[in-house]
Amino acid sequence: GAVVSQHPSWVICKSGTSVKIECRSLDFQATTMFWYRQFPKQSLMLMATSNEGSKATYEQGVEKDKFLINHASLTLSTLTVTSAHPEDSSFYICSAPTGTSVYEQYFGPGTRLTVT
Amino acid sequence: AQSVSQHNHHVILSEAASLELGCNYSYGGTVNLFWYVQYPGQHLQLLLKYFSGDPLVKGIKGFEAEFIKSKFSFNLRKPSVQWSDTAEYFCAVKASGGYQKVTFGIGTKLQVIP
Repeated sequence: GAVVSQHPSWVICKSGTSVKIECRSLDFQATTMFWYRQFPKQSLMLMATSNEGSKATYEQGVEKDKFLINHASLTLSTLTVTSAHPEDSSFYICSAPTGTSVYEQYFGPGTRLTVT
Repeated sequence: AQSVSQHNHHVILSEAASLELGCNYSYGGTVNLFWYVQYPGQHLQLLLKYFSGDPLVKGIKGFEAEFIKSKFSFNLRKPSVQWSDTAEYFCAVKASGGYQKVTFGIGTKLQVIP
């Protein structure tokens, strides 16, 4: 089946620094990818929709200047958390739909970000 | 905007017991409905989905779900759970048609005791 990978799987950074998380579709092309964050004991919250070759679409309440998304190729989307703060500590998950079936989303394993 | 509520946050069952996890959604239009499962240490996986047609949907590993439009519900069922069903289960909804976002419920943690 389709595989989506994320790198790194976990990262610890100091407050004020920036962190980049990669999401790759390994055996298929994805013109769209989704970025979610998940707080402990809470659901996945969609942050933004990443579109290859164009600007990402952010959900209401998500700071686009803080969470920079770049979808430079059909297999790679990156999420950069800029000037990270402890409240940004969370589990970030990406997903990508395959082919024309947007509901067949494949999820990456997630990236655990801890900001100290 | 759509929303999803899952009523059971933590369920503990013995093996062979029957399972029913509640899921209700709110949205004014036509929806697509999903159940995802996340086994410990693994990715989210699609368990089953409903788009149209027969409201009783069968998924992998003996799971099924019934869409009751009048109740805005999409409950997940399994007649006899196994220890390997221990996982977190997420109900999700999206507006039908095109590249619509998927909204997830808070998840239900199922623990099956051997």
